[in-house]
Amino acid sequence: AQSVTQPDIHITVSEGASLELRCNYSYGATPYLFWYVQSPGQGLQLLLKYFSGDTLVQGIKGFEAEFKRSQSSFNLRKPSVHWSDAAEYFCAVYSGAGSYQLTFGKGTKLSVIP
Amino acid sequence: NAGVTQTPKFQVLKTGQSMTLQCAQDMNHEYMSWYRQDPGMGLRLIHYSVGAGITDQGEVPNGYNVSRSTTEDFPLRLLSAAPSQTSVYFCASRRGLSYEQYFGPGTRLTVT
Repeated sequence: AQSVTQPDIHITVSEGASLELRCNYSYGATPYLFWYVQSPGQGLQLLLKYFSGDTLVQGIKGFEAEFKRSQSSFNLRKPSVHWSDAAEYFCAVYSGAGSYQLTFGKGTKLSVIP
Repeated sequence: NAGVTQTPKFQVLKTGQSMTLQCAQDMNHEYMSWYRQDPGMGLRLIHYSVGAGITDQGEVPNGYNVSRSTTEDFPLRLLSAAPSQTSVYFCASRRGLSYEQYFGPGTRLTVT
């Protein structure tokens, strides 16, 4: 079965600093990868997704992520964090075409210092 | 489009009570799912459906029941609520080939 690891439970950055949130997955073939964001008390919003092709994908709100097959990673990045980016971020994976189950990591909470 | 809607937003139950969490989508999506979210655990799949009349278990199905009589609706039933079912419940839907799930706003359930 596939699994997703987000090693950092909580990250604090200063506003304007760069951000990288780590995600590692466990699956043999090419997975379908996602990053979601959840603001306090809200539902989940899709930031970006990777199925195939260019390994650097752009998402909403200035986020991007890079798929690295050799490292089984799909890290989320943003060059300059805004206070409104404070939220919880989830990495998720389908185990390829035809899969029904989206497996989530445990999440990384981002705090932003003004 | 309203997207994915869930009712109620909040609910408090006593141990042993039963209730149904409602979920509806107006996007004509084939697939619908129920997740629970607990602190430090991420989201875990309870049950899912790939079409009307077809349901299957996810990672944590015990204590929950689902049915899907229409494309639009996918209710989640708690048969006999337990404190361990205190959680936030999310319903989601997607088209079969898109793999992009749309989530509802969630239902916060407390079982005392």
